[in-house]
Amino acid sequence: DAGITQSPRHKVTETGTPVTLRCHQTENHRYMYWYRQDPGHGLRLIHYSYGVKDTDKGEVSDGYSVSRSKTEDFLLTLESATSSQTSVYFCAISDWGPLWAFFGQGTRLTVV
Amino acid sequence: TQLLEQSPQFLSIQEGENLTVYCNSSSVFSSLQWYRQEPGEGPVLLVTVVTGGEVKKLKRLTFQFGDARKDSSLHITAAQPGDTGLYLCAAMNRDDKIIFGKGTRLHILP
Repeated sequence: DAGITQSPRHKVTETGTPVTLRCHQTENHRYMYWYRQDPGHGLRLIHYSYGVKDTDKGEVSDGYSVSRSKTEDFLLTLESATSSQTSVYFCAISDWGPLWAFFGQGTRLTVV
Repeated sequence: TQLLEQSPQFLSIQEGENLTVYCNSSSVFSSLQWYRQEPGEGPVLLVTVVTGGEVKKLKRLTFQFGDARKDSSLHITAAQPGDTGLYLCAAMNRDDKIIFGKGTRLHILP
């Protein structure tokens, strides 16, 4: 899977708690992305990074923050999880931009 | 808002049959991609089409980009159970952000 690992793969958390999802790559790719996938909405971009400490917002960034302190790690944080953030989250990596990305296996997050 | 509309949403056919799924938009795109996603996995890129009228073949899969670069189709010949999955199209919008269609969920019955 192009050397991309998401952790955890599954998580159940309570409303109002902070949650951090991790994406780790071994490919040294420049770009990293976080998406969420929901029935009826498809895949939507949350945040992306184009280098260490360089990040930008995607389509659905409200309620999420990201950090990239090392090339290989891209963290997605839900500061105070809500039920609307129940989703499957995918990380993707690329050297040429979002249209040439490899996706991780996803993290299924349930907020109860 | 630029959208990619995929049809049909769901398709269930018998092994050996042919099928076509569509990705349509009112917007022009410089390129368009097709992905396949299996349950519990992330999407996997199948093909990128960049030229209006372009046709690309990947074994039994034929991808076509419309002449006006607003739409695309994916045709599968002699479908097999291994073709089962969610097929997504994607493109870059005018803000240089990637957008995905909602997908066609394909089920091939043995």
